[in-house]
Amino acid sequence: GQSLEQPSEVTAVEGAIVQINCTYQTSGFYGLSWYQQHDGGAPTFLSYNALDGLEETGRFSSFLSRSDSYGYLLLQELQMKDSASYFCAVSLTGYSTLTFGKGTMLLVSP
Amino acid sequence: GAGVSQTPSNKVTEKGKYVELRCDPISGHTALYWYRQSLGQGPEFLIYFQGTGAADDSGLPNDRFFAVRPEGSVSTLKIQRTERGDSAVYLCASSLIGGTSEQFFGPGTRLTVL
Repeated sequence: GQSLEQPSEVTAVEGAIVQINCTYQTSGFYGLSWYQQHDGGAPTFLSYNALDGLEETGRFSSFLSRSDSYGYLLLQELQMKDSASYFCAVSLTGYSTLTFGKGTMLLVSP
Repeated sequence: GAGVSQTPSNKVTEKGKYVELRCDPISGHTALYWYRQSLGQGPEFLIYFQGTGAADDSGLPNDRFFAVRPEGSVSTLKIQRTERGDSAVYLCASSLIGGTSEQFFGPGTRLTVL
Protein backbone atom coordinates (compact mmCIF):
# COMPACT_ATOMS: atom_id res chain seq x y z
CA GLY A 1 0.00 0.00 0.00
CA GLN A 2 0.86 3.64 -0.16
CA SER A 3 1.86 5.56 2.98
CA LEU A 4 2.49 9.26 3.54
CA GLU A 5 3.28 10.52 7.01
CA GLN A 6 3.03 14.12 8.15
CA PRO A 7 2.42 15.68 11.58
CA SER A 8 -1.23 16.13 12.43
CA GLU A 9 -0.84 19.62 13.86
CA VAL A 10 1.74 22.39 14.05
CA THR A 11 1.42 25.69 15.90
CA ALA A 12 3.41 28.88 15.39
CA VAL A 13 3.19 32.64 15.88
CA GLU A 14 2.90 35.39 13.31
CA GLY A 15 6.18 36.25 11.65
CA ALA A 16 7.79 32.93 12.51
CA ILE A 17 9.08 30.17 10.22
CA VAL A 18 7.56 26.70 10.26
CA GLN A 19 8.53 23.45 8.53
CA ILE A 20 6.04 20.69 7.76
CA ASN A 21 7.65 17.34 7.04
CA CYS A 22 6.39 14.53 4.85
CA THR A 23 7.81 11.03 4.51
CA TYR A 24 6.44 8.60 2.00
CA GLN A 25 6.50 4.91 1.12
CA THR A 26 4.89 4.36 -2.25
CA SER A 27 5.07 1.84 -5.06
CA GLY A 28 5.91 4.52 -7.59
CA PHE A 29 7.11 8.08 -7.49
CA TYR A 30 7.11 10.89 -10.00
CA GLY A 31 7.02 13.87 -7.67
CA LEU A 32 5.82 15.46 -4.44
CA SER A 33 3.22 18.21 -4.33
CA TRP A 34 1.92 20.42 -1.57
CA TYR A 35 -1.63 21.72 -1.29
CA GLN A 36 -3.23 24.19 1.11
CA GLN A 37 -6.83 23.84 2.25
CA HIS A 38 -8.66 26.33 4.40
CA ASP A 39 -11.50 25.01 6.52
CA GLY A 40 -14.47 24.32 4.24
CA GLY A 41 -12.54 25.35 1.14
CA ALA A 42 -11.01 23.70 -1.88
CA PRO A 43 -7.41 22.47 -1.89
CA THR A 44 -5.12 24.89 -3.71
CA PHE A 45 -1.80 24.01 -5.29
CA LEU A 46 1.35 25.39 -3.65
CA SER A 47 4.36 23.62 -5.12
CA TYR A 48 5.76 20.55 -6.86
CA ASN A 49 9.16 18.86 -6.65
CA ALA A 50 10.21 16.18 -9.07
CA LEU A 51 13.95 16.48 -8.48
CA ASP A 52 16.01 16.70 -5.32
CA GLY A 53 16.48 20.16 -3.89
CA LEU A 54 14.69 23.29 -2.86
CA GLU A 55 12.01 25.13 -4.83
CA GLU A 56 11.15 28.64 -3.67
CA THR A 57 7.91 30.48 -4.40
CA GLY A 58 7.60 33.68 -2.43
CA ARG A 59 7.18 32.96 1.28
CA PHE A 60 6.82 29.24 0.62
CA SER A 61 9.60 26.79 -0.21
CA SER A 62 9.47 23.05 -0.75
CA PHE A 63 12.26 20.51 -0.53
CA LEU A 64 12.63 16.95 -1.76
CA SER A 65 15.12 14.17 -1.12
CA ARG A 66 14.22 11.18 -3.28
CA SER A 67 16.87 8.97 -1.69
CA ASP A 68 15.35 9.58 1.75
CA SER A 69 11.72 9.50 0.54
CA TYR A 70 11.30 12.78 2.37
CA GLY A 71 10.17 16.29 1.70
CA TYR A 72 9.12 19.38 3.55
CA LEU A 73 7.22 22.60 3.11
CA LEU A 74 8.77 25.70 4.63
CA LEU A 75 6.58 28.70 5.36
CA GLN A 76 8.29 31.98 6.24
CA GLU A 77 6.96 35.23 7.67
CA LEU A 78 3.83 33.48 8.85
CA GLN A 79 0.56 35.36 8.63
CA MET A 80 -2.77 34.63 10.28
CA LYS A 81 -4.21 33.73 6.87
CA ASP A 82 -1.72 30.84 6.66
CA SER A 83 -3.79 28.97 9.26
CA ALA A 84 -5.03 26.02 7.20
CA SER A 85 -4.41 22.36 6.52
CA TYR A 86 -1.42 21.44 4.39
CA PHE A 87 -1.27 18.21 2.44
CA CYS A 88 1.66 16.51 0.82
CA ALA A 89 0.73 14.39 -2.18
CA VAL A 90 2.71 11.92 -4.25
CA SER A 91 2.28 11.50 -8.00
CA LEU A 92 2.52 7.75 -8.47
CA THR A 93 2.24 7.83 -12.24
CA GLY A 94 3.14 10.09 -15.10
CA TYR A 95 -0.39 11.39 -15.39
CA SER A 96 -0.38 12.71 -11.85
CA THR A 97 -3.25 11.12 -10.06
CA LEU A 98 -2.36 12.18 -6.56
CA THR A 99 -2.10 10.17 -3.35
CA PHE A 100 -2.53 12.55 -0.42
CA GLY A 101 -1.33 12.43 3.16
CA LYS A 102 -3.76 13.02 6.00
CA GLY A 103 -2.76 16.65 6.28
CA THR A 104 -1.14 18.94 8.83
CA MET A 105 -3.27 21.57 10.50
CA LEU A 106 -1.24 24.76 10.95
CA LEU A 107 -2.46 27.16 13.61
CA VAL A 108 -0.92 30.63 13.51
CA SER A 109 -1.47 32.77 16.59
CA PRO A 110 -0.88 36.52 17.04
CA GLY B 1 -11.76 33.37 -15.35
CA ALA B 2 -14.21 30.92 -13.85
CA GLY B 3 -12.83 28.15 -11.70
CA VAL B 4 -14.05 24.59 -11.29
CA SER B 5 -17.67 24.48 -10.22
CA GLN B 6 -19.58 21.61 -8.65
CA THR B 7 -23.27 21.10 -8.11
CA PRO B 8 -25.01 20.62 -5.83
CA SER B 9 -22.94 22.03 -3.00
CA ASN B 10 -24.81 19.82 -0.55
CA LYS B 11 -26.77 16.65 -1.09
CA VAL B 12 -28.67 14.74 1.54
CA THR B 13 -30.10 11.40 0.54
CA GLU B 14 -31.38 8.22 2.08
CA LYS B 15 -29.60 4.91 2.15
CA GLY B 16 -30.26 2.96 -1.04
CA LYS B 17 -30.98 5.99 -3.23
CA TYR B 18 -29.18 7.03 -6.43
CA VAL B 19 -27.28 10.32 -6.68
CA GLU B 20 -25.52 12.28 -9.39
CA LEU B 21 -22.82 14.85 -8.72
CA ARG B 22 -21.79 17.29 -11.42
CA CYS B 23 -18.46 18.93 -12.17
CA ASP B 24 -17.77 21.80 -14.58
CA PRO B 25 -14.02 22.04 -15.12
CA ILE B 26 -12.08 25.10 -16.18
CA SER B 27 -12.67 25.73 -19.87
CA GLY B 28 -10.02 24.10 -22.01
CA HIS B 29 -8.75 21.73 -19.34
CA THR B 30 -8.44 18.28 -20.83
CA ALA B 31 -7.75 16.37 -17.62
CA LEU B 32 -10.40 15.89 -14.95
CA TYR B 33 -10.11 14.09 -11.62
CA TRP B 34 -12.59 13.03 -8.96
CA TYR B 35 -11.54 12.65 -5.34
CA ARG B 36 -13.46 12.19 -2.13
CA GLN B 37 -12.48 13.54 1.25
CA SER B 38 -13.66 12.30 4.61
CA LEU B 39 -13.37 14.40 7.75
CA GLY B 40 -9.79 14.69 8.93
CA GLN B 41 -8.38 12.92 5.89
CA GLY B 42 -6.72 13.95 2.69
CA PRO B 43 -8.49 13.69 -0.66
CA GLU B 44 -8.68 10.12 -1.97
CA PHE B 45 -8.38 9.55 -5.71
CA LEU B 46 -11.37 8.02 -7.47
CA ILE B 47 -11.07 8.42 -11.25
CA TYR B 48 -9.12 10.35 -13.88
CA PHE B 49 -10.39 11.41 -17.31
CA GLN B 50 -8.24 12.48 -20.20
CA GLY B 51 -10.69 13.96 -22.66
CA THR B 52 -13.77 11.80 -22.83
CA GLY B 53 -12.19 8.58 -21.67
CA ALA B 54 -11.53 7.29 -18.19
CA ALA B 55 -7.76 6.83 -18.22
CA ASP B 56 -7.63 5.48 -14.66
CA ASP B 57 -10.62 4.34 -12.61
CA SER B 58 -8.61 2.31 -10.12
CA GLY B 59 -9.79 4.44 -7.20
CA LEU B 60 -13.49 3.71 -7.59
CA PRO B 61 -14.33 1.68 -4.47
CA ASN B 62 -16.84 -0.69 -6.09
CA ASP B 63 -19.25 -1.02 -9.00
CA ARG B 64 -21.83 1.24 -7.36
CA PHE B 65 -19.66 4.17 -8.44
CA PHE B 66 -19.51 5.29 -12.05
CA ALA B 67 -18.46 8.49 -13.79
CA VAL B 68 -18.84 9.88 -17.30
CA ARG B 69 -17.48 12.78 -19.30
CA PRO B 70 -19.26 12.39 -22.64
CA GLU B 71 -18.10 15.56 -24.38
CA GLY B 72 -14.75 15.99 -22.70
CA SER B 73 -15.92 18.85 -20.50
CA VAL B 74 -18.61 18.38 -17.83
CA SER B 75 -18.38 15.22 -15.79
CA THR B 76 -20.96 13.42 -13.68
CA LEU B 77 -20.16 11.06 -10.83
CA LYS B 78 -22.98 8.58 -10.26
CA ILE B 79 -23.48 6.56 -7.10
CA GLN B 80 -26.06 3.78 -6.98
CA ARG B 81 -27.60 2.23 -3.85
CA THR B 82 -25.90 4.75 -1.59
CA GLU B 83 -24.59 3.61 1.77
CA ARG B 84 -23.89 5.61 4.91
CA GLY B 85 -20.18 5.03 4.35
CA ASP B 86 -20.41 7.01 1.10
CA SER B 87 -20.91 10.21 3.12
CA ALA B 88 -17.98 12.52 2.33
CA VAL B 89 -17.06 15.62 0.37
CA TYR B 90 -16.65 14.76 -3.30
CA LEU B 91 -14.05 16.96 -4.95
CA CYS B 92 -13.49 17.51 -8.63
CA ALA B 93 -10.25 18.88 -10.05
CA SER B 94 -9.06 19.74 -13.52
CA SER B 95 -5.75 20.50 -15.14
CA LEU B 96 -4.75 21.85 -18.52
CA ILE B 97 -3.18 18.56 -19.50
CA GLY B 98 -2.68 15.21 -17.87
CA GLY B 99 0.70 14.72 -16.29
CA THR B 100 0.76 17.92 -14.30
CA SER B 101 0.50 18.06 -10.55
CA GLU B 102 -1.04 21.53 -10.56
CA GLN B 103 -4.66 20.58 -10.29
CA PHE B 104 -7.41 23.12 -9.76
CA PHE B 105 -10.03 21.92 -7.31
CA GLY B 106 -13.68 22.80 -7.08
CA PRO B 107 -15.44 23.57 -3.79
CA GLY B 108 -16.82 20.06 -3.55
CA THR B 109 -20.20 18.45 -3.00
CA ARG B 110 -20.92 17.41 0.57
CA LEU B 111 -22.86 14.14 0.36
CA THR B 112 -24.71 12.93 3.42
CA VAL B 113 -26.38 9.53 3.34
CA LEU B 114 -28.91 9.04 6.14
